[in-house]
Amino acid sequence: DAGITQSPRHKVTETGTPVTLRCHQTENHRYMYWYRQDPGHGLRLIHYSYGVKDTDKGEVSDGYSVSRSKTEDFLLTLESATSSQTSVYFCAIRGTSGAKSYNEQFFGPGTRLTVL
Amino acid sequence: QKEVEQDPGPLSVPEGAIVSLNCTYSNSAFQYFMWYRQYSRKGPELLMYTYSSGNKEDGRFTAQVDKSSKYISLFIRDSQPSDSATYLCAMINAGGTSYGKLTFGQGTILTVHP
Repeated sequence: DAGITQSPRHKVTETGTPVTLRCHQTENHRYMYWYRQDPGHGLRLIHYSYGVKDTDKGEVSDGYSVSRSKTEDFLLTLESATSSQTSVYFCAIRGTSGAKSYNEQFFGPGTRLTVL
Repeated sequence: QKEVEQDPGPLSVPEGAIVSLNCTYSNSAFQYFMWYRQYSRKGPELLMYTYSSGNKEDGRFTAQVDKSSKYISLFIRDSQPSDSATYLCAMINAGGTSYGKLTFGQGTILTVHP
């Protein structure tokens, strides 16, 4: 998985609780992304980062926040989890050189989150 | 209306069949086109990458892009049970390359049975 780990891999939580998902990369890549994957929707971008402390919103950012204090770690926080945030969450990093690699994203193994 | 539309299937074919997977898009600024393959309970991985209209072949896989019709396809020849996976098309526009934001289709679930 191109040196990307996600933790936890599975989590069950209750509505209203805060949840933080962690993405860790060993590739020293500048760009990192958080997606959620739901049936019928494919992968939808939540937030992305283009450097330490540099982040921006994706298409489904409501209810989520992110932080990146180190190059290798990108955290996704659900401030107050809701059942609609039950999903599989993927972290990705971007390639660094060459036209193909520069547009390619490498994905982590995913985190399955269930909000009861 | 979604920028990228992909038939979600599911698609079930016998081993050896030719498989055709398709996506249409509405944003004419999309310039780079990709196909990702995702095995069950795994992250997606890049399968094919193209940036111009026409065909690109890699082994049993052929990616086809028709920018005039805003239509892309992935063909799998001599399909194998190991090809059973979800296939996602993804696109990026020229203006978005600076941040690398991809737009994905919904994914097509493919099963190849022996």
